Amino acid sequence: AQKVTQAQTEISVVEKEDVTLDCVYETRDTTYYLFWYKQPPSGELVFLIRRNSFDEQNEISGRYSWNFQKSTSSFNFTITASQVVDSAVYFCALEPVLRDLGRLYFGRGTQLTVWP
Amino acid sequence: DGGITQSPKYLFRKEGQNVTLSCEQNLNHDAMYWYRQDPGQGLRLIYYSQIVNDFQKGDIAEGYSVSREKKESFPLTVTSAQKNPTAFYLCASSIVGRTSGTDTQYFGPGTRLTVL
Repeated sequence: AQKVTQAQTEISVVEKEDVTLDCVYETRDTTYYLFWYKQPPSGELVFLIRRNSFDEQNEISGRYSWNFQKSTSSFNFTITASQVVDSAVYFCALEPVLRDLGRLYFGRGTQLTVWP
Repeated sequence: DGGITQSPKYLFRKEGQNVTLSCEQNLNHDAMYWYRQDPGQGLRLIYYSQIVNDFQKGDIAEGYSVSREKKESFPLTVTSAQKNPTAFYLCASSIVGRTSGTDTQYFGPGTRLTVL
């Protein structure tokens, strides 16, 4: 079975704080992709990152960083020095390539609120 | 500009009426997808299509129908058989790779359907 769990339903921080959004996944596929999307209040999902299962290197893009650990089946997302514009719902998703080609399995999302 | 358009942004219908949601993309993507999002929920897959004139049911296809007569268009009809149609509907598209599965899914702005 394919499953993505985002245990944090809501997180509130004050501007400039660092915040980490957790994502834990389950799959029997040995080849898969992991994604993070941002959904601002306008509703459109904005793609942030795609990582394949063979690449465990952490990635940094500006204030965003991602920590992929296969040993714990986790793909966590950290925002450094958060800003009000980071307020959104963030979704983690899994694409198992071999068994379910092209299908994304989403977590329930984490609502992040950054207060000024 | 290249992208995915969904119209209208907001849609109201009376109970018992069928309604069709539009999704158009000019990204030359092969695959297109329809998701449903309910408050506090992740995205759930309704239907997807990886090639013209072919489509597959997702996890919650009952009460919905689709067609894929053109590569650029993937309309979704919400029929009167859908018991709880009020939701936010998101369309997505992606390239279908020959060896590495589908590429990243990119999303449209969504249509918020309210059935009165």
